[in-house]
Amino acid sequence: DAGVIQSPRHEVTEMGQEVTLRCKPISGHNSLFWYRQTMMRGLELLIYFNNNVPIDDSGMPEDRFSAKMPNASFSTLKIQPSEPRDSAVYFCASSPRGAPSYEQYFGPGTRLTVT
Amino acid sequence: DQQVKQNSPSLSVQEGRISILNCDYTNSMFDYFLWYKKYPAEGPTFLISISSIKDKNEDGRFTVFLNKSAKHLSLHIVPSQPGDSAVYFCAASGNRDDKIIFGKGTRLHILP
Repeated sequence: DAGVIQSPRHEVTEMGQEVTLRCKPISGHNSLFWYRQTMMRGLELLIYFNNNVPIDDSGMPEDRFSAKMPNASFSTLKIQPSEPRDSAVYFCASSPRGAPSYEQYFGPGTRLTVT
Repeated sequence: DQQVKQNSPSLSVQEGRISILNCDYTNSMFDYFLWYKKYPAEGPTFLISISSIKDKNEDGRFTVFLNKSAKHLSLHIVPSQPGDSAVYFCAASGNRDDKIIFGKGTRLHILP
């Protein structure tokens, strides 16, 4: 199994630009999670989906952030417009429903730098 | 307000000795606890977990202890090896929720 795939691995962009991060979960997994890791806040959940439906987006910092999951094998996290404080590592994770559903499998992350 | 707290940002341990990583939580509704390990430039990987109905779970060199009355859990690594140098995240979940709340992590350095 290829594991969770994220692209790009690194993204450098200027303030005000649109950024799109992509994720392909493990085949057969029904839950998908987007996290952001920063030194100050650690690993924080932004949004998660079950069966392609957003369940909890309370962690999305503001309206500039949006996420979609058009099908079971693809999800995007978009930031528009981007700001320097969005610089972080963004992780996507997937999990199979049912026991032990709490064990999430993480992708390698996308390191975003907004200048 | 942090629901899962790892108060030690870093820890250094001699190779071969025991490493003890600590974690505290505030939400009494949590019923499942996990430890994840993260190497640089990689995503976190699941290490070991424990249900709230148990107070100990062991897997090879790794043991997790849960003290519900103190809302405290710890991860013991014995003996510590160089490959154990990584960031360790404590995490918790509850109410049959799919989402996991992570702590900020503890960076473990295994010294030769």
